Amino acid sequence: AQSVTQPDIHITVSEGASLELRCNYSYGATPYLFWYVQSPGQGLQLLLKYFSGDTLVQGIKGFEAEFKRSQSSFNLRKPSVHWSDAAEYFCAVSTGTASKLTFGTGTRLQVTL
Amino acid sequence: ETGVTQTPRHLVMGMTNKKSLKCEQHLGHNAMYWYKQSAKKPLELMFVYNFKEQTENNSVPSRFSPECPNSSHLFLHLHTLQPEDSALYLCASSQVGTSGNNEQFFGPGTRLTVL
Repeated sequence: AQSVTQPDIHITVSEGASLELRCNYSYGATPYLFWYVQSPGQGLQLLLKYFSGDTLVQGIKGFEAEFKRSQSSFNLRKPSVHWSDAAEYFCAVSTGTASKLTFGTGTRLQVTL
Repeated sequence: ETGVTQTPRHLVMGMTNKKSLKCEQHLGHNAMYWYKQSAKKPLELMFVYNFKEQTENNSVPSRFSPECPNSSHLFLHLHTLQPEDSALYLCASSQVGTSGNNEQFFGPGTRLTVL
C-alpha cells in the first residue's frame, strides 16, 4: 500500500524568505502526486499536481513542486513567502485508476512579519 | 452555488441525538468521499461512492451511516456518537476514470462537536 511522509510537523519562516516543504512517498510505480493547502476552518484547496512529463510543476499562488523519482520525493517550494501563506499543507498520493488518495499528516506553516 | 458545499458548517450534538451532514457537488463528478479530520491525525478516508455505489468503507463504526441518493448529493447520518467523534468532517468529489487523475475537490467541512 502507498504511504506519504511529511517529516516536518511545523515550520516557521519570515515573510519574504524562501520555503521548502518536504514530502516523501512510498509506492512501487509512478504515483500521481498532489499538494493541498488548508486555511483555518476551511476545506482543502489543490495547489498543484503531478501526473507525468515535466518533473517540475507549477501551481497556484506562486508554488512549485519537483518530482524526484530517485528520492521518492515531491517537495513543495516557494521563492518568497507571504503572510497569507500561513496554513496547513498536505501532500497526497494516488495510484493508477484507484479512487483513493492517501494523505500525509500535514505541515503547519507559520509566517512571521 | 459552485464547487462542493457542505451543511451545516457547525454542529453540536449530544450523544443520544440523531443528525445528518449534507454534501452537494456542482462539478458533474462521479465520485464522492467522506473524510474525518481530527487534531494531530492524518485525514481519515471514511467512505467512497462511485456512481452512487459505495466502493469503500474504511472500518467506520456503524454509528456513521452514509447515503448517496444521486451522484451530486452525499449524506452522513449520525446517531449515538461518542465525544471522540468530534472532528471536522470533509466531503470531496472527483471525476474517476481510467487516467488515474483523481484530483479531489473539497468542501469547507462541518465542525462537529459531540457533548
